[in-house]
Amino acid sequence: AQSVAQPEDQVNVAEGNPLTVKCTYSVSGNPYLFWYVQYPNRGLQFLLKYITGDNLVKGSYGFEAEFNKSQTSFHLKKPSALVSDSALYFCAVRDVNRDDKIIFGKGTRLHILP
Amino acid sequence: DSGVTQTPKHLITATGQRVTLRCSPRSGDLSVYWYQQSLDQGLQFLIQYYNGEERAKGNILERFSAQQFPDLHSELNLSSLELGDSALYFCASSPGWQGGTYEQYFGPGTRLTVT
Repeated sequence: AQSVAQPEDQVNVAEGNPLTVKCTYSVSGNPYLFWYVQYPNRGLQFLLKYITGDNLVKGSYGFEAEFNKSQTSFHLKKPSALVSDSALYFCAVRDVNRDDKIIFGKGTRLHILP
Repeated sequence: DSGVTQTPKHLITATGQRVTLRCSPRSGDLSVYWYQQSLDQGLQFLIQYYNGEERAKGNILERFSAQQFPDLHSELNLSSLELGDSALYFCASSPGWQGGTYEQYFGPGTRLTVT
C-alpha cells in the first residue's frame, strides 16, 4: 500500500536561514510526488510536483524539492526563509500504476522566527 | 483563488441531522475529490468522481455519500451526524484521472460543527 511520512510535526527556522521539510514515501511502482501548503483558514495550495526527469524540482514562492529514489524521499527546501512562509506543509504521493487516489502526509507546521 | 468554490463556508447543526455540502470545480476540470480535515486525523481522502462516475474511494463512512452531476458540480451528503464528524471538508478538482500527472486545486473548505 502506498504511504507518505512527514517525520516532523513542527519545524522552526530563523528568518533568512535555509529550511528543509522532510518527506518519505512508499509506493509499489513509480511515484508522483507533490507538495502543498495550507495557510490558516484556507484550502491547500499546490507548490510543486515531481513526475519524471530532473530530480530537483522548482516550484512556487522560491521553494524546491529533491527527489531521491534510493532514499525514497522528497524533501522540500528553500534557501532563505521568510516569515510569510509560516504555514502547514503537506507532502503527497500517488502511485503511477494506480488510479488518481492520492495519499497525504500528516503535515508539518513550519514556523519562521523573525 | 483556486477557481474551486464550496458552499456553505460554515455549517452548524445538531447530532443526528443530515447536511449537504456543495462544490463547483475549476472550469474544464472533470475530476472532483472530497477530503475531511480534522485535528486528530489529518487530511483524509474520502472519494473521487470523474465526469459523473465514482473513481476512487477512501475512508468514507457509510453515512456519507457523494455524487457528481452532469454540470460537474458535486455534492457530499453527510447523514446521522455525530460529534466526531465536526471537521473541515475540502473539495478539490483536477483535469483528469488515471495516468494523469495532475495536481489538485482545493476549494476554501466548509467548516462543519456538529453540536
